[in-house]
Amino acid sequence: AQKITQTQPGMFVQEKEAVTLDCTYDTSDPSYGLFWYKQPSSGEMIFLIYQGSYDQQNATEGRYSLNFQKARKSANLVISASQLGDSAMYFCAMRAYLSNTGNQFYFGTGTSLTVIP
Amino acid sequence: DTAVSQTPKYLVTQMGNDKSIKCEQNLGHDTMYWYKQDSKKFLKIMFSYNNKELIINETVPNRFSPKSPDKAHLNLHINSLELGDSAVYFCASSQDTSGGKTDTQYFGPGTRLTVL
Repeated sequence: AQKITQTQPGMFVQEKEAVTLDCTYDTSDPSYGLFWYKQPSSGEMIFLIYQGSYDQQNATEGRYSLNFQKARKSANLVISASQLGDSAMYFCAMRAYLSNTGNQFYFGTGTSLTVIP
Repeated sequence: DTAVSQTPKYLVTQMGNDKSIKCEQNLGHDTMYWYKQDSKKFLKIMFSYNNKELIINETVPNRFSPKSPDKAHLNLHINSLELGDSAVYFCASSQDTSGGKTDTQYFGPGTRLTVL
């Protein structure tokens, strides 16, 4: 079963506007971690933000914030004041612990974000 | 002062050859990983080592063999390369896998492998 779902293959946003990238996850592990990564066209994977399942507050890192809705199992990334350099592929990822195999890591299929001048 | 480095960045080789990709991290992390990213950008974990011990070994062909001489290095050796092995291979490291933000993985620049 797919553990991480990103339903938006591609998104467009006007420069200086905010954009939300969707991510839903599936796990029975009560303790898990959620991550967002950015992959620009140059190919490197850049860590953006982390949210722990027990964290009471939504994570924020500069212009990035994570809208964590535990009951809905969603961890959407919000980018405020979009810049041209934000154009990239964005991946949602999850670390969950399975009793038989230990920690497992799952990545979503990614969302390609294009910022329009 | 690159945190996670991989060599080579590009690798073009013939089918049937054996090749290695090297990875080093200078972050003092305990855990290292290998991922494969296919042409559709799908990223899948292959292996994970914690303090030189294999902890994740996904279903990959046994032509792929990781080797960790010390906790700062995790190399990937591939025997009898096939066309389907063409992909970008990423090395990553995390402080540990104890749960929490220390699980955050930091990636190397990737190695683009092309098998002809």
